[in-house]
Amino acid sequence: AQKVTQAQTEISVVEKEDVTLDCVYETRDTTYYLFWYKQPPSGELVFLIRRNSFDEQNEISGRYSWNFQKSTSSFNFTITASQVVDSAVYFCALSLSNFGNEKLTFGTGTRLTIIP
Amino acid sequence: DTGVSQNPRHKITKRGQNVTFRCDPISEHNRLYWYRQTLGQGPEFLTYFQNEAQLEKSRLLSDRFSAERPKGSFSTLEIQRTEQGDSAMYLCASSLVVPPYEQYFGPGTRLTVT
Repeated sequence: AQKVTQAQTEISVVEKEDVTLDCVYETRDTTYYLFWYKQPPSGELVFLIRRNSFDEQNEISGRYSWNFQKSTSSFNFTITASQVVDSAVYFCALSLSNFGNEKLTFGTGTRLTIIP
Repeated sequence: DTGVSQNPRHKITKRGQNVTFRCDPISEHNRLYWYRQTLGQGPEFLTYFQNEAQLEKSRLLSDRFSAERPKGSFSTLEIQRTEQGDSAMYLCASSLVVPPYEQYFGPGTRLTVT
């Protein structure tokens, strides 16, 4: 069975600080996909990134970056120079399908508050 | 390109009543998924369809729950004889079966059972 753990329930940082959200996953499969979603106060989940198990390259998109380490089963998410608009609940998720297009197993989420 | 839409956005019902929710996916998306999210938790998978075929159902989907996607477009999720434990946000998502595979979520239907 697969499992995703987000140990940080809530994080608060002052605007412009960097912040890292942790994600640890468990699976015995060798082919899987990892995702991050953002859930702002409006409630709608917003897709941020999809990563397959064979691609351990880190990725950067603007102020966002992701660090995937198979050795520690982690897929951490860093926001650089945080802004108030980054305040949201962030979910890490895992899919065991060959293409990542079947059911997602989500973690319990990390509530991020950016203090102006 | 419109996103995933769900109706109603909010539903309050009395215990024992039946409720039905509707999800309209992104038009060209073959796959449609239902999840349930309770307060402070991540979404939990309920079921998914490829076109009109229901490919997987979670054990969370008790006999009181039924989902359909009769023409491979919109889907309905019905809960019969609602219980207070059914109170949650019901989320619908859709995706392609070709790249990109990401699931795009709708705004959800919040169900409150009194």
